[in-house]
Amino acid sequence: GNSVTQMEGPVTLSEEAFLTINCTYTATGYPSLFWYVQYPGEGLQLLLKATKADDKGSNKGFEATYRKETTSFHLEKGSVQVSDSAVYFCALRNTGGFKTIFGAGTRLFVKA
Amino acid sequence: DVKVTQSSRYLVKRTGEKVFLECVQDMDHENMFWYRQDPGLGLRLIYFSYDVKMKEKGDIPEGYSVSREKKERFSLILESASTNQTSMYLCASSLQAQGTEAFFGQGTRLTVV
Repeated sequence: GNSVTQMEGPVTLSEEAFLTINCTYTATGYPSLFWYVQYPGEGLQLLLKATKADDKGSNKGFEATYRKETTSFHLEKGSVQVSDSAVYFCALRNTGGFKTIFGAGTRLFVKA
Repeated sequence: DVKVTQSSRYLVKRTGEKVFLECVQDMDHENMFWYRQDPGLGLRLIYFSYDVKMKEKGDIPEGYSVSREKKERFSLILESASTNQTSMYLCASSLQAQGTEAFFGQGTRLTVV
Protein backbone atom coordinates (compact mmCIF):
# COMPACT_ATOMS: atom_id res chain seq x y z
CA GLY A 1 0.00 0.00 0.00
CA ASN A 2 0.89 3.66 -0.04
CA SER A 3 2.42 5.30 3.00
CA VAL A 4 4.52 8.26 4.11
CA THR A 5 7.02 8.25 6.95
CA GLN A 6 8.48 11.46 8.29
CA MET A 7 10.78 12.23 11.15
CA GLU A 8 9.22 12.62 14.53
CA GLY A 9 9.23 15.97 16.22
CA PRO A 10 9.29 18.28 17.76
CA VAL A 11 12.28 19.86 16.10
CA THR A 12 13.64 22.90 17.94
CA LEU A 13 16.05 25.26 16.18
CA SER A 14 17.48 28.68 16.71
CA GLU A 15 16.74 31.42 14.22
CA GLU A 16 18.94 31.24 11.09
CA ALA A 17 19.73 27.55 11.62
CA PHE A 18 19.56 25.02 8.78
CA LEU A 19 16.45 22.86 8.65
CA THR A 20 16.01 19.32 7.35
CA ILE A 21 12.86 17.29 7.85
CA ASN A 22 13.19 13.78 6.46
CA CYS A 23 10.41 12.13 4.51
CA THR A 24 10.32 8.73 2.80
CA TYR A 25 7.44 7.10 1.00
CA THR A 26 6.14 3.79 -0.24
CA ALA A 27 3.95 3.80 -3.30
CA THR A 28 2.93 1.71 -6.25
CA GLY A 29 3.16 3.64 -9.48
CA TYR A 30 4.47 7.19 -9.83
CA PRO A 31 3.12 9.45 -7.12
CA SER A 32 3.17 13.21 -6.84
CA LEU A 33 4.79 14.43 -3.63
CA PHE A 34 3.84 17.39 -1.47
CA TRP A 35 4.81 19.32 1.61
CA TYR A 36 2.01 21.06 3.49
CA VAL A 37 2.35 23.46 6.41
CA GLN A 38 -0.11 24.09 9.23
CA TYR A 39 0.25 27.27 11.28
CA PRO A 40 -1.34 27.35 14.75
CA GLY A 41 -5.12 27.36 14.65
CA GLU A 42 -5.34 26.98 10.88
CA GLY A 43 -5.90 24.35 8.24
CA LEU A 44 -3.14 22.93 6.07
CA GLN A 45 -1.79 24.82 3.08
CA LEU A 46 0.44 23.67 0.28
CA LEU A 47 4.08 24.64 0.75
CA LEU A 48 5.60 22.97 -2.33
CA LYS A 49 5.20 19.98 -4.60
CA ALA A 50 6.99 17.82 -7.18
CA THR A 51 5.22 15.64 -9.70
CA LYS A 52 8.02 13.51 -11.16
CA ALA A 53 11.41 12.09 -10.30
CA ASP A 54 14.27 14.63 -9.93
CA ASP A 55 11.86 17.58 -9.82
CA LYS A 56 12.63 20.16 -7.16
CA GLY A 57 9.79 22.00 -5.50
CA SER A 58 10.53 25.33 -3.84
CA ASN A 59 8.66 28.09 -2.05
CA LYS A 60 9.44 30.73 0.63
CA GLY A 61 13.04 29.49 0.88
CA PHE A 62 12.01 25.86 1.40
CA GLU A 63 13.10 23.17 -1.06
CA ALA A 64 12.56 19.45 -1.58
CA THR A 65 13.77 17.14 -4.35
CA TYR A 66 11.86 14.08 -5.53
CA ARG A 67 14.35 11.21 -5.27
CA LYS A 68 12.90 8.05 -6.75
CA GLU A 69 16.01 5.96 -6.12
CA THR A 70 15.79 6.56 -2.37
CA THR A 71 11.99 7.10 -2.28
CA SER A 72 12.57 10.34 -0.39
CA PHE A 73 11.36 13.95 -0.43
CA HIS A 74 13.27 15.70 2.35
CA LEU A 75 12.35 19.29 3.21
CA GLU A 76 15.19 21.81 3.63
CA LYS A 77 15.59 25.49 4.40
CA GLY A 78 18.89 27.27 4.71
CA SER A 79 17.93 29.78 7.41
CA VAL A 80 14.76 29.39 9.44
CA GLN A 81 12.81 32.24 11.01
CA VAL A 82 10.56 32.36 14.06
CA SER A 83 7.62 32.69 11.68
CA ASP A 84 8.42 29.22 10.27
CA SER A 85 7.24 27.63 13.51
CA ALA A 86 4.46 25.29 12.42
CA VAL A 87 3.63 21.65 11.74
CA TYR A 88 4.93 20.26 8.44
CA PHE A 89 3.29 17.34 6.65
CA CYS A 90 4.80 15.27 3.87
CA ALA A 91 2.22 13.71 1.55
CA LEU A 92 1.76 11.76 -1.64
CA ARG A 93 -0.97 11.32 -4.19
CA ASN A 94 -0.64 8.27 -6.36
CA THR A 95 -1.23 7.97 -10.06
CA GLY A 96 -4.97 7.79 -10.74
CA GLY A 97 -5.77 8.11 -7.05
CA PHE A 98 -8.32 10.40 -5.44
CA LYS A 99 -6.76 10.50 -2.01
CA THR A 100 -3.74 12.24 -0.57
CA ILE A 101 -1.79 10.15 1.94
CA PHE A 102 -0.23 12.20 4.75
CA GLY A 103 2.66 11.58 7.08
CA ALA A 104 2.17 12.08 10.81
CA GLY A 105 3.49 15.65 10.76
CA THR A 106 6.61 17.22 12.27
CA ARG A 107 6.28 20.15 14.63
CA LEU A 108 8.98 22.81 14.24
CA PHE A 109 9.78 25.38 16.92
CA VAL A 110 12.14 28.22 16.01
CA LYS A 111 13.60 30.27 18.88
CA ALA A 112 14.66 33.89 18.52
CA ASP B 1 -8.38 33.19 -4.58
CA VAL B 2 -9.44 29.62 -4.01
CA LYS B 3 -11.43 28.91 -0.95
CA VAL B 4 -12.70 26.07 1.21
CA THR B 5 -14.99 27.33 3.93
CA GLN B 6 -16.12 25.39 6.98
CA SER B 7 -19.26 26.62 8.65
CA SER B 8 -17.88 26.88 12.21
CA ARG B 9 -14.46 27.38 13.79
CA TYR B 10 -15.58 26.15 17.21
CA LEU B 11 -18.51 23.98 18.19
CA VAL B 12 -19.65 22.54 21.51
CA LYS B 13 -22.26 19.78 21.45
CA ARG B 14 -23.77 17.39 23.95
CA THR B 15 -23.38 13.64 23.94
CA GLY B 16 -26.07 12.03 21.81
CA GLU B 17 -26.78 15.09 19.68
CA LYS B 18 -26.83 14.88 15.90
CA VAL B 19 -24.11 17.20 14.58
CA PHE B 20 -23.69 18.65 11.11
CA LEU B 21 -20.38 20.04 9.87
CA GLU B 22 -20.65 21.90 6.60
CA CYS B 23 -17.98 22.56 4.00
CA VAL B 24 -18.24 24.61 0.83
CA GLN B 25 -15.64 25.07 -1.91
CA ASP B 26 -15.72 27.60 -4.73
CA MET B 27 -13.19 25.99 -7.05
CA ASP B 28 -15.43 23.53 -8.92
CA HIS B 29 -13.38 20.64 -7.52
CA GLU B 30 -14.60 17.11 -8.10
CA ASN B 31 -13.09 15.60 -4.95
CA MET B 32 -13.93 16.52 -1.39
CA PHE B 33 -12.64 15.03 1.88
CA TRP B 34 -13.25 15.03 5.60
CA TYR B 35 -10.35 14.39 8.00
CA ARG B 36 -9.99 14.46 11.71
CA GLN B 37 -6.78 15.56 13.35
CA ASP B 38 -5.75 14.44 16.80
CA PRO B 39 -2.45 14.97 18.65
CA GLY B 40 0.01 12.22 17.85
CA LEU B 41 -2.26 10.63 15.23
CA GLY B 42 -1.86 13.04 12.33
CA LEU B 43 -4.66 13.36 9.78
CA ARG B 44 -7.07 10.46 9.44
CA LEU B 45 -9.48 10.26 6.53
CA ILE B 46 -13.12 9.80 7.53
CA TYR B 47 -14.92 9.93 4.16
CA PHE B 48 -14.37 11.30 0.71
CA SER B 49 -16.43 12.00 -2.38
CA TYR B 50 -15.30 12.11 -6.00
CA ASP B 51 -18.59 13.29 -7.48
CA VAL B 52 -22.03 14.52 -6.52
CA LYS B 53 -23.95 11.89 -4.53
CA MET B 54 -20.89 9.61 -4.52
CA LYS B 55 -19.10 8.76 -1.28
CA GLU B 56 -16.39 6.39 -0.16
CA LYS B 57 -15.33 5.34 3.32
CA GLY B 58 -11.95 6.41 4.49
CA ASP B 59 -9.92 4.92 7.31
CA ILE B 60 -12.22 5.75 10.24
CA PRO B 61 -15.84 6.05 9.04
CA GLU B 62 -17.51 4.53 12.11
CA GLY B 63 -19.91 6.92 13.80
CA TYR B 64 -19.97 9.29 10.82
CA SER B 65 -21.90 9.74 7.61
CA VAL B 66 -21.65 12.27 4.78
CA SER B 67 -23.82 13.96 2.21
CA ARG B 68 -22.94 15.53 -1.11
CA GLU B 69 -26.04 16.78 -2.87
CA LYS B 70 -24.26 19.59 -4.73
CA LYS B 71 -20.76 19.69 -6.15
CA GLU B 72 -19.62 22.56 -3.97
CA ARG B 73 -20.91 21.27 -0.64
CA PHE B 74 -19.84 18.28 1.47
CA SER B 75 -21.42 17.69 4.86
CA LEU B 76 -20.14 15.51 7.68
CA ILE B 77 -22.77 14.13 10.04
CA LEU B 78 -22.21 12.72 13.49
CA GLU B 79 -25.34 10.67 14.01
CA SER B 80 -25.04 10.56 17.80
CA ALA B 81 -22.09 12.53 19.08
CA SER B 82 -19.81 10.91 21.63
CA THR B 83 -16.95 12.32 23.69
CA ASN B 84 -14.39 10.36 21.66
CA GLN B 85 -15.41 12.42 18.64
CA THR B 86 -13.99 15.54 20.24
CA SER B 87 -11.40 16.59 17.69
CA MET B 88 -10.31 19.03 15.00
CA TYR B 89 -12.18 18.35 11.75
CA LEU B 90 -10.65 19.43 8.45
CA CYS B 91 -12.40 19.60 5.11
CA ALA B 92 -10.43 19.56 1.86
CA SER B 93 -11.07 19.56 -1.87
CA SER B 94 -9.03 18.78 -4.97
CA LEU B 95 -9.27 18.37 -8.70
CA GLN B 96 -9.18 14.87 -10.14
CA ALA B 97 -6.30 15.85 -12.42
CA GLN B 98 -3.00 14.10 -11.81
CA GLY B 99 -0.56 15.80 -9.49
CA THR B 100 -2.91 18.43 -8.11
CA GLU B 101 -2.90 19.43 -4.49
CA ALA B 102 -5.61 19.50 -1.87
CA PHE B 103 -7.00 22.77 -0.52
CA PHE B 104 -8.05 22.86 3.11
CA GLY B 105 -10.57 24.75 5.15
CA GLN B 106 -9.60 26.43 8.40
CA GLY B 107 -10.88 23.56 10.53
CA THR B 108 -13.67 23.07 13.03
CA ARG B 109 -12.73 22.31 16.60
CA LEU B 110 -15.57 20.19 17.95
CA THR B 111 -15.97 19.50 21.65
CA VAL B 112 -18.53 16.92 22.76
CA VAL B 113 -19.48 17.19 26.42
